[in-house]
Amino acid sequence: EAGVAQSPRYKIIEKRQSVAFWCNPISGHATLYWYQQILGQGPKLLIQFQNNGVVDDSQLPKDRFSAERLKGVDSTLKIQPAKLEDSAVYLCASSLVRTAQETQYFGPGTRLLVL
Amino acid sequence: GNSVTQMEGPVTLSEEAFLTINCTYTATGYPSLFWYVQYPGEGLQLLLKATKADDKGSNKGFEATYRKETTSFHLEKGSVQVSDSAVYFCALIGGGADGLTFGKGTHLIIQP
Repeated sequence: EAGVAQSPRYKIIEKRQSVAFWCNPISGHATLYWYQQILGQGPKLLIQFQNNGVVDDSQLPKDRFSAERLKGVDSTLKIQPAKLEDSAVYLCASSLVRTAQETQYFGPGTRLLVL
Repeated sequence: GNSVTQMEGPVTLSEEAFLTINCTYTATGYPSLFWYVQYPGEGLQLLLKATKADDKGSNKGFEATYRKETTSFHLEKGSVQVSDSAVYFCALIGGGADGLTFGKGTHLIIQP
C-alpha cells in the first residue's frame, strides 16, 4: 500500500515570496491533516479536513496560510507572503476515519527554509 | 487545552541498557495516547498506542501503559539496540480535538 506522498521535499524561498506544498493521502483515507514542525519541537496541527470540508483550522494563521482539498483527495497548503518564522517542516498525515483511536499516517514532509 | 510533556534529551545509553522515556499529559475527557518515532532521514511513524485507561501498547519490544491516575504514558524497553537511535514523540488525541498534540520529542542515542 502506498504511503502519504508530499512534494516538494525541500524548498528555499526569500521572505515575502509565496510557496505551495502538495499532499496525496493514502487511498481511501477520508481525513487529512497538515502539521508544522519547527526545529526542536513536536509537530503542531495547522488544519484538518474531513473529505473536502474543513473540520478544524483554529491554529492556521489565516492572514498568510491557506489550504484546500479539492474533491476530497489531494490537498495543497499555501503560504503567501512567507516570513522567516515559517521555516519548518510541513507534514501531511491521513487517517481512514475521524476518530480519536485511529492511527494517523505521516508523509516524509516538506522542509521549508525562508531567507 | 491539551498538552504533552516529555523528558528532553538527548538521552544516551549503551546497547542492552534499560530505557524509560517519561511522558505526562493534560487533557479533558479520555484521550487516546500514542508514541511516534522518527528514525534518521525518515518520516514519523506510529510505534504504539493505547486508547483507554490501563491499556498497554507494545511493538518492537517497546511498551507503554496508559495510567489515568498519574496522567502518564511512559515508554519502556528492556534492552535497547543501536538501531533504536531515533527521536521519540509522545502524543495524544482528545478533549474534543481530532488532531494530535505532540510533546517536544526525545532524542535517543544508543552507543555500541
